[in-house]
This record gives sequence, C-alpha cells and structure tokens, in this order.
Amino acid sequence: AQSVAQPEDQVNVAEGNPLTVKCTYSVSGNPYLFWYVQYPNRGLQFLLKYITGDNLVKGSYGFEAEFNKSQTSFHLKKPSALVSDSALYFCAVRGSGTYKYIFGTGTRLKVLA
Amino acid sequence: DVKVTQSSRYLVKRTGEKVFLECVQDMDHENMFWYRQDPGLGLRLIYFSYDVKMKEKGDIPEGYSVSREKKERFSLILESASTNQTSMYLCASRGPTSWEQYFGPGTRLTVT
Repeated sequence: AQSVAQPEDQVNVAEGNPLTVKCTYSVSGNPYLFWYVQYPNRGLQFLLKYITGDNLVKGSYGFEAEFNKSQTSFHLKKPSALVSDSALYFCAVRGSGTYKYIFGTGTRLKVLA
Repeated sequence: DVKVTQSSRYLVKRTGEKVFLECVQDMDHENMFWYRQDPGLGLRLIYFSYDVKMKEKGDIPEGYSVSREKKERFSLILESASTNQTSMYLCASRGPTSWEQYFGPGTRLTVT
C-alpha cells in the first residue's frame, strides 16, 4: 500500500537559516513525488516534483528537494528561509500504474523574524 | 495559468440537507479530484473522475456522490449532510501531460 509520512507536525526556523521539511514514502514501482504549499484559507499550490532524472529538483520560490531512493525520502529544502515561507507544507506520492495521490499529514513551517 | 474555481468559500448547512459543491477548471483537463482536508489527517481522496461521466471511488466515498456531465465541471454531492462531514473540501485537476495537480481555493463546509 502507498503511504507518505511527514514526521514533524511543526518546524521552526530563524529567518535566514536553512530549512528542511522531511518526507518519507512507501510505494510500489517508481514513485512520483510532489511538494505543495498551503497558505491560510487557500488551496494547495504546487512547488516541485520528482518524476525521473536528477535526484535534486528545483522548484518555485527557491525551494528544492532531494530524492533519495535508498532512504525512500524526498525532503524539502531552502538555503535561506523567509518569514513569508511560513505556511503548511504537504508531501504527496503517486505510484506508477495508479491514479491516486497519497498526501502526508502536513508540516507547519514557522519562520521567525 | 490553470484556474480551478469552487462555487463557495464558506458554506453552512443543516444536518440532513442535500449539499452541492461545484468545481470548474478552465484548462480542458481530463482528470478531476475531490478531497477533504482535516487537521492531522492531511488530504483524503473522496472521488476521482478521469473523463466525462466516468468516476472512481477514492478512500472515503461513503456519504458522497459526484457528477461530471461536462469536462470542465465536477460536482460533489452530500446526499444528507451530517456533522462529521464538516471539513475543508478541495477540488483539483490534472492535465494529460503534467503529473502535478492544480487546486481550487477550497470550500469550508460547516454542518450544524
């Protein structure tokens, strides 16, 4: 069965420091991996995806994520956090041969000025 | 840019009422999805449609039905609303050549 785990409910980081939001997954076949961000009272916005190719993928707003097949992880990173990055972040996975996307429970990122 | 709109941002209904949530996308996408979002549970798939009049149950279809008469519109129906259906409802669409989903702004439904 497919699953996604976001082990941290909340991550606090000081403005200007690097940030990491963790995601691990379990899926049969090759994973299609995604990160989305949700601002208060808004829908989800797509940040980046890994389908195939280079393990380091770059996305919107300076975010990047590294696909690690051996550790089944897809952690979201940013070299220098901004207060405006404070939001709820969701990791999602889609297994090959299925239409379903499985979402993690979300990690609230709080960037402190 | 893909635009996904939902008919209401906030909705308050009474127990037992029939509720319609509508979603429209403007990019001719085949695939459309309905999710509900609850704190600590993330997003859970209610129904999925891969073409007009075609639908598949997701993980939590009980108490819900859907309608897709036109490609751009995907409706979620709560046949008889109950308090445990109080939630944020999110619609999404996906095109044939992209794997990411595009989400609407959500409808926060309260059933009293």
